[in-house]
Amino acid sequence: DPKIIQKPKYLVAVTGSEKILICEQYLGHNAMYWYRQSAKKPLEFMFSYSYQKLMDNQTASSRFQPQSSKKNHLDLQITALKPDDSATYFCASSQQDTQYFGPGTRLLVL
Amino acid sequence: GDSVTQTEGPVTVSESESLIINCTYSATSIAYPNLFWYVRYPGEGLQLLLKVITAGQKGSSRGFEATYNKETTSFHLQKASVQESDSAVYYCALGDNTGNYKYVFGAGTRLKVIA
Repeated sequence: DPKIIQKPKYLVAVTGSEKILICEQYLGHNAMYWYRQSAKKPLEFMFSYSYQKLMDNQTASSRFQPQSSKKNHLDLQITALKPDDSATYFCASSQQDTQYFGPGTRLLVL
Repeated sequence: GDSVTQTEGPVTVSESESLIINCTYSATSIAYPNLFWYVRYPGEGLQLLLKVITAGQKGSSRGFEATYNKETTSFHLQKASVQESDSAVYYCALGDNTGNYKYVFGAGTRLKVIA
């Protein structure tokens, strides 16, 4: 059974719209993260949360807002979508120093 | 800043041949980085392949191994005999062990193993 669930797997959006990427982890971890991988670029750290509190934010744009309604959830709301936001977004979780990743949500903004 | 550089792909290797994927890192803000190799098989997410948190130590998994070399700031991934099922994208990453768990990834190396 998958331990980190990301929904949806694929997402197509129009420029200017808003989308929410879902992440749930069933590993019992206290820390969760978001990373982004754009075409031909490395995975890039976006946010880290610990016990539902924001620990680090490396995303310059306020259009990206993580939302943690439960300890094992960390969703990512993206507003005013732009074509440059097209990427695969990975959620991860950790208990100590090893992060475990979800399968990713592939977002295409037209 | 911190960075990871790895072999640029794609890398094509014949089955049963040996493999090395180079990884070098720069950890200017992390005194004692943890080093990782992740693998992404087609259609799947990132999986942890191996990790080493102590300089001089070697990690191994599924026939792959990598040694944390602090002198050369390297963490090369090696396998003596690859199989078709090893075809995937391999990512080298470094992490902080002080509680700031932002990972820095290399660009990934696509490996294709041919029969």
